[in-house]
Amino acid sequence: DIQMTQSPSSLSAFVGDTVTITCRASQTISTYLNWYQQKPGQAPKVLIYSASNLQSGVPSTFRGSGSGTDFTLTISSLQPEDSATYYCQQSYSAPWTFGQGTKVEIK
Amino acid sequence: QAQLVQSGAEVKKPGASVTVSCKASGYTLANNHMYWVRQAPGQGLEWMGTINPSGGTTSYAQKFQGRLTVTRDLSTGTVYMELSGLRSEDTAVYYCARGNFGVNTPGLWFDPWGQGTPVIVSS
Repeated sequence: DIQMTQSPSSLSAFVGDTVTITCRASQTISTYLNWYQQKPGQAPKVLIYSASNLQSGVPSTFRGSGSGTDFTLTISSLQPEDSATYYCQQSYSAPWTFGQGTKVEIK
Repeated sequence: QAQLVQSGAEVKKPGASVTVSCKASGYTLANNHMYWVRQAPGQGLEWMGTINPSGGTTSYAQKFQGRLTVTRDLSTGTVYMELSGLRSEDTAVYYCARGNFGVNTPGLWFDPWGQGTPVIVSS
């Protein structure tokens, strides 16, 4: 199974800040990497697919990059509504695995 | 717009089985694989299994082999997830999610997701 490791586990930032979340795969996965946002009590929602493609309707303040084993999700101009837990997920091979999540809080 | 609506919360005793339904609307069920993902309280996301509604073929995570059955009813546009031999560790929110494959980009992603069905296993 491909293990996905996110860092940090949590972070706190001010409105307007730029934050970066990293995700590392235990083996190369090309660009088969997605990012999801989950708010409390809600289902996850896809933000970025195939490492760098912005899902329709998602603000352009979200950006994904990376390939191989190392990936990043960058949130620029952080807004209060960005407070959530973010998960990466590999779609290179089954079983489809997720990172453990990064909780983003607003100071 | 594609939407997935799941059945309501369940409370089950250890050893029992639970069936969760996921009704698709806004698209043709047969055109996309459906995935089941669960989330234990305060924990991350765990893929459980997949069904290709077109032919009914399934694949399951090794952890759930023998306990998980995913089926579909094309006439009603509904997918079902049955988990048997429930234990306390199965207490979680269960989600269905539609799989999307890229045409010009590689990969598979889950969108949309159902609203989630809490399942509590307790004696």
